[in-house]
Amino acid sequence: AQSVTQLDSQVPVFEEAPVELRCNYSSSVSVYLFWYVQYPNQGLQLLLKYLSGSTLVESINGFEAEFNKSQTSFHLRKPSVHISDTAEYFCAVYQETSGSRLTFGEGTQLTVNP
Amino acid sequence: ETGVTQTPRHLVMGMTNKKSLKCEQHLGHNAMYWYKQSAKKPLELMFVYSLEERVENNSVPSRFSPECPNSSHLFLHLHTLQPEDSALYLCASSQERGAYSNQPQHFGDGTRLSIL
Repeated sequence: AQSVTQLDSQVPVFEEAPVELRCNYSSSVSVYLFWYVQYPNQGLQLLLKYLSGSTLVESINGFEAEFNKSQTSFHLRKPSVHISDTAEYFCAVYQETSGSRLTFGEGTQLTVNP
Repeated sequence: ETGVTQTPRHLVMGMTNKKSLKCEQHLGHNAMYWYKQSAKKPLELMFVYSLEERVENNSVPSRFSPECPNSSHLFLHLHTLQPEDSALYLCASSQERGAYSNQPQHFGDGTRLSIL
């Protein structure tokens, strides 16, 4: 069965600093990768996704993630964070097996301090 | 504004009560999901409906009973819950294509459930 590991449960950073949220998954069989963000008192929102093509994907608010098949990783990065980026971030993986479903990591709480 | 609406946003109930959570999606999707989100734990997939048929039930206790009357609506009926059932319950929808569901899921804002 697929598993997803987010190595850091909490990541505190200062505003305008760079950040990397790490995500590793267990299987390298055809996978599709997602990052979701959850702001307080809200549901999850899709941040970015890798389905095929370029291994570097970007979101509209400056985040990017790179699919690394050899390291089975899909780390999320942003070169300069804002206080408004404070939220919980979830990595999710879908493995192309009939009947398979999304598998979520445990989440990383990103806190951006002034 | 999310295309998936959940009501109520907050619910407090006793262990002997019966209540229902409602989810409605306005995205024209053909699959809907119930998840349980507890603190410090990964999201737990509870039920999946595809084309209004239940296709997955992940060992969820019978005190949780889902209902999908049409592709836009999903309910979760609750009966004699336990304190450990207190959590955020999230509904999601997606567009499935054949046997695969690699399309992004769209989530509602959830119902925060507290069991007294």
